Amino acid sequence: DAGVIQSPRHEVTEMGQEVTLRCKPISGHDYLFWYRQTMMRGLELLIYFNNNVPIDDSGMPEDRFSAKMPNASFSTLKIQPSEPRDSAVYFCASSLARTGEDEQFFGPGTRLTVL
Amino acid sequence: SQKIEQNSEALNIQEGKTATLTCNYTNYSPAYLQWYRQDPGRGPVFLLLIRENEKEKRKERLKVTFDTTLKQSLFHITASQPADSATYLCALPPPGSGGYNKLIFGAGTRLAVHP
Repeated sequence: DAGVIQSPRHEVTEMGQEVTLRCKPISGHDYLFWYRQTMMRGLELLIYFNNNVPIDDSGMPEDRFSAKMPNASFSTLKIQPSEPRDSAVYFCASSLARTGEDEQFFGPGTRLTVL
Repeated sequence: SQKIEQNSEALNIQEGKTATLTCNYTNYSPAYLQWYRQDPGRGPVFLLLIRENEKEKRKERLKVTFDTTLKQSLFHITASQPADSATYLCALPPPGSGGYNKLIFGAGTRLAVHP
């Protein structure tokens, strides 16, 4: 398996534009997580899905952020409109649902810069 | 709310020595704790899991301890090598997340092993 795949790897956009980040989890994994990492706040969980259903979106900073998982092999995180404070590295991760304490497999991340 | 503390300052050690990293948590007792490694420009990679009823877990040159009384986990790398240089993050499930693989991460400690 190729691991968790994210695209794009880098995104530079201007304030007010819509940004869409994409993630393909590892085949067969039941959970998908979206994180944001900054120097100031570290790695923060934004939202996670179990079997394509959103379980907890309490980490989503505000209504400008939305996430979908239309099928088991694809998820998107959308920011509309984007703001400079959204600049960060966004990671997608996936895991199995065997024990409730399963390790998470992270993608390479998308580095977002909002000018 | 749950709080995780890791040494914010970088740990610099000489090759061959043992590196010891600390993870302290407050406000409750997690059922398990995980350690991840993150290299610059990459996503975190799972290293070890230790459960609350386990005092110690080993994997090759890595050793993790879990003291539920002190609310602390120690992560040791013996015979350290320059290739061990990275940021190490601890992660644990927040209260009430049983069975859902949800994790909150510490800010991480950067380790630099010098030849």
